[in-house]
Amino acid sequence: AQSVAQPEDQVNVAEGNPLTVKCTYSVSGNPYLFWYVQYPNRGLQFLLKYITGDNLVKGSYGFEAEFNKSQTSFHLKKPSALVSDSALYFCAVRDMGGNKPLVFGKGTRLSVIA
Amino acid sequence: DAGVIQSPRHEVTEMGQEVTLRCKPISGHDYLFWYRQTMMRGLELLIYFNNNVPIDDSGMPEDRFSAKMPNASFSTLKIQPSEPRDSAVYFCASSPRQGAYNEQFFGPGTRLTVL
Repeated sequence: AQSVAQPEDQVNVAEGNPLTVKCTYSVSGNPYLFWYVQYPNRGLQFLLKYITGDNLVKGSYGFEAEFNKSQTSFHLKKPSALVSDSALYFCAVRDMGGNKPLVFGKGTRLSVIA
Repeated sequence: DAGVIQSPRHEVTEMGQEVTLRCKPISGHDYLFWYRQTMMRGLELLIYFNNNVPIDDSGMPEDRFSAKMPNASFSTLKIQPSEPRDSAVYFCASSPRQGAYNEQFFGPGTRLTVL
């Protein structure tokens, strides 16, 4: 079975500081990993994904994520946070062997304080 | 591309009434998903379709919920009768046919309030 854990419900960071939103996963085979962002009263927007290759994936709005197979993690990062990054962030996983729906984590609310 | 289109964006109804939510997926996408989002339960997958055929409806909470996809460009999620605990934001998403590496594209959601 596939699962995703986002251990933090809330992350607070000062504007200009680096941010990290954590995600760990569990799949039976190799994973495809995704990050989405949800702004207030909006749908989920795709940020980035890991398919294969370089463990550091770059995505929209200056975000990046690092795939770590040994730690089964896919943490989202940004070198310098903006107030406009404040939103709800979802990590999702799919087993490489199938085409089932993405399995989403519960989400982490990021608050960037000016 | 207009993206995934959902209507209405907001729906307020009274307990016992029938509610129909609508979704138009991105053209050419073969998969369509219905999700429900609440503060308590987060994002829940209700049902998904492949080529208009329901594949897994195990997330549909009760018989009061039903979903159809009569053609590749339209799907409905119906609640009959509605109850206050159905109040949530309902999202439709679609994804292309090829490959498990494809992301899902979400619509803006329908905020349902059942009084």
